[in-house]
Amino acid sequence: GQQVMQIPQYQHVQEGEDFTTYCNSSTTLSNIQWYKQRPGGHPVFLIQLVKSGEVKKQKRLTFQFGEAKKNSSLHITATQTTDVGTYFCAGLSSNTGKLIFGQGTTLQVKP
Amino acid sequence: GAGVSQSPSNKVTEKGKDVELRCDPISGHTALYWYRQSLGQGLEFLIYFQGNSAPDKSGLPSDRFSAERTGGSVSTLTIQRTQQEDSAVYLCASSLRDILYEQYFGPGTRLTVT
Repeated sequence: GQQVMQIPQYQHVQEGEDFTTYCNSSTTLSNIQWYKQRPGGHPVFLIQLVKSGEVKKQKRLTFQFGEAKKNSSLHITATQTTDVGTYFCAGLSSNTGKLIFGQGTTLQVKP
Repeated sequence: GAGVSQSPSNKVTEKGKDVELRCDPISGHTALYWYRQSLGQGLEFLIYFQGNSAPDKSGLPSDRFSAERTGGSVSTLTIQRTQQEDSAVYLCASSLRDILYEQYFGPGTRLTVT
């Protein structure tokens, strides 16, 4: 079936290091959304990407949507302890119209 | 304005009992979603409502699970004859129109089946 795979599952970084999580789909996506879930909290919407090759930035966060609209990435520059949490991508399948969440990447930042 | 609210926040029930979980979406949001999240796991899609109808029920794990939405607003997720594997956090989300729009999540209901 359709899947959205996220890697890595876990990442531990030293504060100040960069971090990247990748999202890969088996099918073409109409769009992709990114969410952040702090420990003990609920997912909060970060951004949506729609266009092939689109790049969007939010302060230290850079989001990319692949040219083939099958993959996406979230890059955080110079991580801070406030970046701790689980980052989820959610892709809208072009074929089925279903929104599929990745399993998430949990980021730990050591001060 | 008010966000998505869910009740109860915590529910402990005995195996075999039925439970009802409630979700109040953001006013004016026509789309509503239910997800399940087990400890340390990702989001498992359960069901999606557009207005009062459910175009996608594909994620409901078994026929013990059902959901309804009335008046295009409040939704209830019912689990009959609960099993221990039903223990999880049940999250509700709403979006303005449909799945093309960002989802706003509620705080969740933590269900524990003993």
